[in-house]
Amino acid sequence: QSALTQPPSASGSLGQSVTISCSGTSSDVGSYNYVSWYQQESGKDPKLIIYEVNKRPSGVPERFSGSKSGNTASLTVSGLQAEDEADYYCGSYGGRFNFVFGTGTKVSVL
Amino acid sequence: QVHLVESGGGVVQPGRSLGLSCSASGFSFNDYAMHWVRQAPGKGLEWVAGLGVNRDHQTYADSVKGRFAISRDDSRGILYLQMNSLTADDTALYYCVRVHCGGDCHWADAFEIWGRGTMVTVS
Repeated sequence: QSALTQPPSASGSLGQSVTISCSGTSSDVGSYNYVSWYQQESGKDPKLIIYEVNKRPSGVPERFSGSKSGNTASLTVSGLQAEDEADYYCGSYGGRFNFVFGTGTKVSVL
Repeated sequence: QVHLVESGGGVVQPGRSLGLSCSASGFSFNDYAMHWVRQAPGKGLEWVAGLGVNRDHQTYADSVKGRFAISRDDSRGILYLQMNSLTADDTALYYCVRVHCGGDCHWADAFEIWGRGTMVTVS
C-alpha cells in the first residue's frame, strides 16, 4: 500500500496548461481504470474532479482532463485560472479491496 | 441534498480508544460502499478503511489494521469507525466519504461525496 508518486509542485501562467503525473504500479494504476483525481483548495475539503481515468463529474469544467498510460496517470489543467491554485491528489483502486492516494501536488498559478 | 456529517472527534490520550460516527442523508445509504479517509495536519490524504454494501469487503490500511474497525447501520444511515490503541500518528481530520456509483457501483470507483471531517488529536 505505498502511496502513488506525484511531483510536489507544478506551476503555470494564467491561460497556460499544466500536467501532473501520478506514478503507480502494475498492481494499482496499471491494472484498473478506477483512477480518480481530487482538488483541495486551501482550507477546504477535497473535491472529486476526475473519475475512471478521464470522466468528469457534473459541474467540473472541461479544462480538467485525465489520462493513463501504463502505470502512470496524468491530470491536465488547460487554460489555467486563478481559482485552479490548489493541491491535487490522484487515487487508485489497488486491488483486493484497497485504495491508495497519491502524495499530492501543489499547483501554483503564476 | 446529499450530506455526510461526521462526529465523535476530540482529544484523546495515547493508547486510548475513540469512536467516530457519520450520519448520511439525501441518498439511499445501503446502496453505496462507504469509506473513511484521513488527513494529518499539513499532510496529504490517506485512505483508512472501506466497507461495501451488505457489510461485505471490510478492509483497512496497513497503518490501522488490527486497531480500527469500520461498521455501518443501514437502517439508520450511519457509518462508524471504532479506533483503538491510538497513537500520535493517528492525529488527523477524519473524513467520511461515499463512493461514486457509475455503471457497476464499484467498491472504490472514486470518492464523490465528502463530509466536513471530524478532528482527532492524540496527545
